Order: sequence, then C-alpha cells, then structure tokens
Amino acid sequence: DSGVTQTPKHLITATGQRVTLRCSPRSGDLSVYWYQQSLDQGLQFLIQYYNGEERAKGNILERFSAQQFPDLHSELNLSSLELGDSALYFCASSVGDTANSPLHFGNGTRLTVT
Amino acid sequence: GDSVTQMEGPVTLSEEAFLTINCTYTATGYPSLFWYVQYPGEGLQLLLKATKADDKGSNKGFEATYRKETTSFHLEKGSVQVSDSAVYFCALRRSGGYNKLIFGAGTRLAVHP
Repeated sequence: DSGVTQTPKHLITATGQRVTLRCSPRSGDLSVYWYQQSLDQGLQFLIQYYNGEERAKGNILERFSAQQFPDLHSELNLSSLELGDSALYFCASSVGDTANSPLHFGNGTRLTVT
Repeated sequence: GDSVTQMEGPVTLSEEAFLTINCTYTATGYPSLFWYVQYPGEGLQLLLKATKADDKGSNKGFEATYRKETTSFHLEKGSVQVSDSAVYFCALRRSGGYNKLIFGAGTRLAVHP
C-alpha cells in the first residue's frame, strides 16, 4: 500500500460529460502529480502541485484542470470528454520537490468514455 | 528534451532465468534514475533508485547501476520468479526547475514456471 488514495476506482461516462477524480496523498507529502496512462501514449505527465500551488504543467489539455486544496488533497477535473480521454489516471505524491524524491503512486482511476 | 528509452517487450523467461531490461536516457545535467514496477491492476511501485553516477540501486533481488558514460540504467535480476511478472518502467527526474518524472514506455515481463 503506497498510502496514496484515489477515488473512484472506475468511472464510466458519456462523451461531452464532466468528471472529477480525487486524490489523497501520503501523510506528510506536499507534492501531488497527475499522470495519464493509455496504451498508445504510455505514461504522460499532466500537472504537479506543491503545497497548494501549481508547480509544473505537462501535456494537459485545456479541457482538463486540477487543484490542490489546503488539506493537500487534489482533484483533477475532466470536461467535454471525448472517447480518446479513456485511460488510467494516476495520482502520485512525494515529500519534496527535488530530483531524488521518489513518487508514490495510487492505484489509479480507470475512466471509460462511451 | 529529456527522454528514456527501454527495450521493447514482452520479455518472456522461465523461472530462475537471468533478467536484463535495458534502459538508456537522454538528459542534461545529472538526473536521478528510477525503476518502477506495475503489477496487473495496480499502480506503479518504486523498485529502486540511484541519484548519482556509479550508484547501484537494489531491492528484492533487482539491481541497476547508474552509468553516466553510457547514459544507461539497466535492470538486472539473477533468478526471476513467476511473481516478478509485471511491467517495468525506467524513469528519470532532473534536478532543478521543471523536474517532472519522465518514464520510458515500459517493458512487460512474463515469467513461466
């Protein structure tokens, strides 16, 4: 058990809809990261927050947004969903923001857009 | 930009065989290097890491040595078990600035009895 909790585990929704994925980091971790895993694109970094502030952005679409709350949990919002958004979405956390801080991953949310 | 290249899978081995999964990287500066493992239906778990040249990371019988001269971080295990069947990801994280964790494409390992 990594200590990172993601909910829900599975989500099935229709095109055009909006969903929210939730992540609770390990106790004491200040950084939260979101990754998308799909068969054709592999693991893609989406966005990182550190202690409530956006720290880095990756290949995140404009239809997607995220935030980290004062209690350090994070939410990833996906809107105007398309079939191609179907993927596994992982949240990870780390204590710090340095290169040698390993990331600890949750078990992911599997999103299916129909 | 920074990148990680892994050998393509799947890698299929018999139990107790020797395992090598090749990983090479491209990055400026001195990144930290990681191996993560993903078991079916689960998230990624940190397997081992190395933070500077010539460091050897090891865990659960797996090991990898940070080779700056060849920009490589190959994963090895002397005797694999069926329970090692999983997808293995090599990753790097550069220090300073925009230091996201960058993953390779992953290598699927299947170990048969």
